[in-house]
Amino acid sequence: DAGVTQSPTHLIKTRGQQVTLRCSPKSGHDTVSWYQQALGQGPQFIFQYYEEEERQRGNFPDRFSGHQFPNYSSELNVNALLLGDSALYLCASSLALGAGNQPQHFGDGTRLSIL
Amino acid sequence: DAKTTQPPSMDCAEGRAANLPCNHSTISGNEYVYWYRQIHSQGPQYIIHGLKNNETNEMASLIITEDRKSSTLILPHATLRDTAVYYCIVRVEDYGGSQGNLIFGKGTKLSVKP
Repeated sequence: DAGVTQSPTHLIKTRGQQVTLRCSPKSGHDTVSWYQQALGQGPQFIFQYYEEEERQRGNFPDRFSGHQFPNYSSELNVNALLLGDSALYLCASSLALGAGNQPQHFGDGTRLSIL
Repeated sequence: DAKTTQPPSMDCAEGRAANLPCNHSTISGNEYVYWYRQIHSQGPQYIIHGLKNNETNEMASLIITEDRKSSTLILPHATLRDTAVYYCIVRVEDYGGSQGNLIFGKGTKLSVKP
């Protein structure tokens, strides 16, 4: 049973560029959430997708956008990269409401470095 | 902001029980207590969660006080591989029709020593 998978594992970009990160949820899960984790800090919630729609959003600018596909996989896009966007980006998947209180399961993240 | 308070660090001897405390004095009736841990360079790993009853699984036990204002995660026989940052999180199940997200604090860095 494959868990949450993210690609790529590492990425280096320069300021002003755009990046796309990808996530495949755990088998049977239909909800995907994205988090940003700066060095030495706990993860911060970016947004959550369910039924191909953004359902919740944390305190992140519009440069951060996402998408969910019919197979439940998801992408995180960041435009106009800043040095402060350097972080570990984590994807978590879960079952939607109606299936009891379901925990989110995390992938090992994409390490994004901005030069 | 995180709704939980945890000690920044703790030590535990290998083979002994590790008891990690968490305060969540403002918890609401529809909020669950979740525990995750994060080993260096990996994503957070789900451990256990509960609403008001004590819970146990193959990894740990969760003890929630009767007033639900605090809880304790117990690792019964800590090993070196349990060295990690442990996060206690309160999470609402239903956030306006969608699943509640996780608000992480800084957690407790547990060091298991031989």
